[in-house]
Amino acid sequence: AQSVTQLGSHVSVSEGALVLLRCNYSSSVPPYLFWYVQYPNQGLQLLLKYTTGATLVKGINGFEAEFKKSETSFHLTKPSAHMSDAAEYFCAVSKNQGGKLIFGQGTELSVKP
Amino acid sequence: NAGVTQTPKFQVLKTGQSMTLQCAQDMNHEYMSWYRQDPGMGLRLIHYSVGAGITDQGEVPNGYNVSRSTTEDFPLRLLSAAPSQTSVYFCASNAVSGANVLTFGAGSRLTVL
Repeated sequence: AQSVTQLGSHVSVSEGALVLLRCNYSSSVPPYLFWYVQYPNQGLQLLLKYTTGATLVKGINGFEAEFKKSETSFHLTKPSAHMSDAAEYFCAVSKNQGGKLIFGQGTELSVKP
Repeated sequence: NAGVTQTPKFQVLKTGQSMTLQCAQDMNHEYMSWYRQDPGMGLRLIHYSVGAGITDQGEVPNGYNVSRSTTEDFPLRLLSAAPSQTSVYFCASNAVSGANVLTFGAGSRLTVL
């Protein structure tokens, strides 16, 4: 069965610092991988996705993630954190197109001035 | 373009009461799903549907019923509410051709006393 593990339920960075949110998955087949962001009292929005092709994926708001098959990882990064990046971030995986999405536990990102 | 609309946004129930969470989408998406979000648990799939008249169970289906009579609507029914069903519920939809990118509603916060 597929599963997703996000390392660290809370991450705190200073404004302008590197953001690194970790995601590892287990899947018996090459997966589809996603990062979603949830701002307070809102639904989830897609940040970026990997389906096929280039393993470095760029998303909205300066975020990017790299699919590393050998490490079964899909870590999310942003070179310079902004106060508006404070939110909860979810990594998700699906086996194929049309398949069910399995979400990780979420990582809450705090950004200090 | 409204996207995915959920009602109500907030609801308080007593143990044993029944209610229906409504979900409607206007994007003509084939797939619809219901998730619940609990602290530290991420989003867990309750039920999903791949088209009108077709539904299937997700990870945590017990205590919930669904039906899909039209492409647009996917209501979630709680027949006899329990305190363990206190949660935030999200409805989502996606297109068959959309690489599993979900569009989420704003959420429905349910408290069962």
